Amino acid sequence: DAKTTQPTSMDCAEGRAANLPCNHSTISGNEYVYWYRQIHSQGPQYIIHGLKNNETNEMASLIITEDRKSSTLILPHATLRDTAVYYCIVRVGWGNAGNMLTFGGGTRLMVKP
Amino acid sequence: GEEVAQTPKHLVRGEGQKAKLYCAPIKGHSYVFWYQQVLKNEFKFLISFQNENVFDETGMPKERFSAKCLPNSPCSLEIQATKLEDSAVYFCASSHHRPGTEAFFGQGTRLTVV
Repeated sequence: DAKTTQPTSMDCAEGRAANLPCNHSTISGNEYVYWYRQIHSQGPQYIIHGLKNNETNEMASLIITEDRKSSTLILPHATLRDTAVYYCIVRVGWGNAGNMLTFGGGTRLMVKP
Repeated sequence: GEEVAQTPKHLVRGEGQKAKLYCAPIKGHSYVFWYQQVLKNEFKFLISFQNENVFDETGMPKERFSAKCLPNSPCSLEIQATKLEDSAVYFCASSHHRPGTEAFFGQGTRLTVV
């Protein structure tokens, strides 16, 4: 799986949008971008994933650049409960679904009142 | 079930004792993954299964660690003769057979070796 680079930590004011960047300059054409988060010591929680188009769900939006070398996860209205470590992962999407997720260091997002 | 169920939540073992962890994947999911998280941010992939077959065991320590996924039973991860460095949270995840889908994680088992 391609290596990803994320800032170690970020702060965001409650109610504002949190924009979390991720670089994945060596991504291959068959790799998806996945975002997970880990709140405190819970199990990683799936947020969103995409291949090349921007994606949106009830939790977040994912913006992938045209060259696919970077992406941004957007939490539109961050709340205190969004404080977590956010992981950006690239993973082979097809061929089979058994390919593992390779976690990097992630970004520790602190949402402040 | 609709969530990955891991048991027990906490497990304490003396050095040299055996530890066995269990994981019930989401019903209908074909793939099961085991991860070890030693420090807060560092996940290490251990092994994955496609149904009852080992799919990828490249992360599995050669000694003392073994895992199984048998039909109609929870998957298991067993550590023989535990060492202090085995203390970690062990997470299990499962995913559908369709490529490009997400994996769902359980809440983990915290193993403490004393």
